[in-house]
Amino acid sequence: ETGVTQTPRHLVMGMTNKKSLKCEQHLGHNAMYWYKQSAKKPLELMFVYNFKEQTENNSVPSRFSPECPNSSHLFLHLHTLQPEDSALYLCASSQTGGGDTEAFFGQGTRLTVV
Amino acid sequence: GEDVEQSLFLSVREGDSSVINCTYTDSSSTYLYWYKQEPGAGLQLLTYIFSNMDMKQDQRLTVLLNKKDKHLSLRIADTQTGDSAIYFCAGGNALIFGKGTTLSVSS
Repeated sequence: ETGVTQTPRHLVMGMTNKKSLKCEQHLGHNAMYWYKQSAKKPLELMFVYNFKEQTENNSVPSRFSPECPNSSHLFLHLHTLQPEDSALYLCASSQTGGGDTEAFFGQGTRLTVV
Repeated sequence: GEDVEQSLFLSVREGDSSVINCTYTDSSSTYLYWYKQEPGAGLQLLTYIFSNMDMKQDQRLTVLLNKKDKHLSLRIADTQTGDSAIYFCAGGNALIFGKGTTLSVSS
């Protein structure tokens, strides 16, 4: 148990659906991250939030919409996804967002788009 | 942009040493990390090295850092079947990961 909790663990959605992934940490961290891990590509950084402000958007399509209402919660809103978006979505948090501190990862949400 | 490169596969016999290599482009990283991902699990921090160090030893793990060549390596001594996993090196201001090296340990 790393202290970072992601829900749901598994999600199957149609291309016309709207769903949200949730990430929660109570480690007192100020930075939160979304990563995508698919079979065909390396671990990809999607978004970084530092003190609730988005500091990195790694050219992610607009069908992925992050939200960080507070330092403990991070959401990834999904709409009109494509089958190639099927992947493991990992959330992480760290004390600061400068890469200077250890990142703790959640177990991930396994997303399948049908 | 920042980039981290790793070899994709490594196969060793139980009891041998494993060496996983990584090269990176962002020299401003204060720390460089090794993460481990076991099947069906998220990533867990294995060890890390401060950028002004050349070597760090932690039980069976030895991390070597060559800042001049921007090269990082992870040595696992007396590799066990339980060490079979994907190993990621990471660094940079936005915590960029390499593709991961799949370590396969045979008995």
